[in-house]
Amino acid sequence: DAGITQSPRHKVTETGTPVTLRCHQTENHRYMYWYRQDPGHGLRLIHYSYGVKDTDKGEVSDGYSVSRSKTEDFLLTLESATSSQTSVYFCAIRAGMGGYTFGSGTRLTVV
Amino acid sequence: GQQVMQIPQYQHVQEGEDFTTYCNSSTTLSNIQWYKQRPGGHPVFLIQLVKSGEVKKQKRLTFQFGEAKKNSSLHITATQTTDVGTYFCAGQGNTNAGKSTFGDGTTLTVKP
Repeated sequence: DAGITQSPRHKVTETGTPVTLRCHQTENHRYMYWYRQDPGHGLRLIHYSYGVKDTDKGEVSDGYSVSRSKTEDFLLTLESATSSQTSVYFCAIRAGMGGYTFGSGTRLTVV
Repeated sequence: GQQVMQIPQYQHVQEGEDFTTYCNSSTTLSNIQWYKQRPGGHPVFLIQLVKSGEVKKQKRLTFQFGEAKKNSSLHITATQTTDVGTYFCAGQGNTNAGKSTFGDGTTLTVKP
């Protein structure tokens, strides 16, 4: 959707290496979210942000950290990637209490 | 914590048949949202329901929110091949500070 982009779209990395995924929005929304999607598990919240430097954990935050130094950018970092973190990662923004707008996703493979 | 269950997990229909997916929450919700994800794509917001007993329609799609605000359904009349995809519900509790919990989705396939 217009207004939210994720990079990279695909990444293959080795176990134990750090990985950073980027989410960029042009909508100036306060709320940003990182989800992972795995077969049979739907979308699970990793971390979210409700403002610059304001972040909180979601239901599957272990092994992940986030940073938000600017309104438009929300970074997700895997400090030391593991095979269990192979997944599709979606960033989302939300205007107030309306629906989420998702990015196109990042397909991450940890080998 | 809040749990959102969605059934069925898969549904295979013949084109022209109807389709329904159901969503049930372990707690009372302030609102529920529905999303569609095409194969290989990202979830796309369809609608949000807020009021107890609310019913909303979008062409062949009918969305309902239960009286107790703990369950919801999406019904598609006369499915078409363009309806193929996974449908997710997402429920927001009263104290979740903007976070919604997603169901695991119902994947719909339509045989022409």
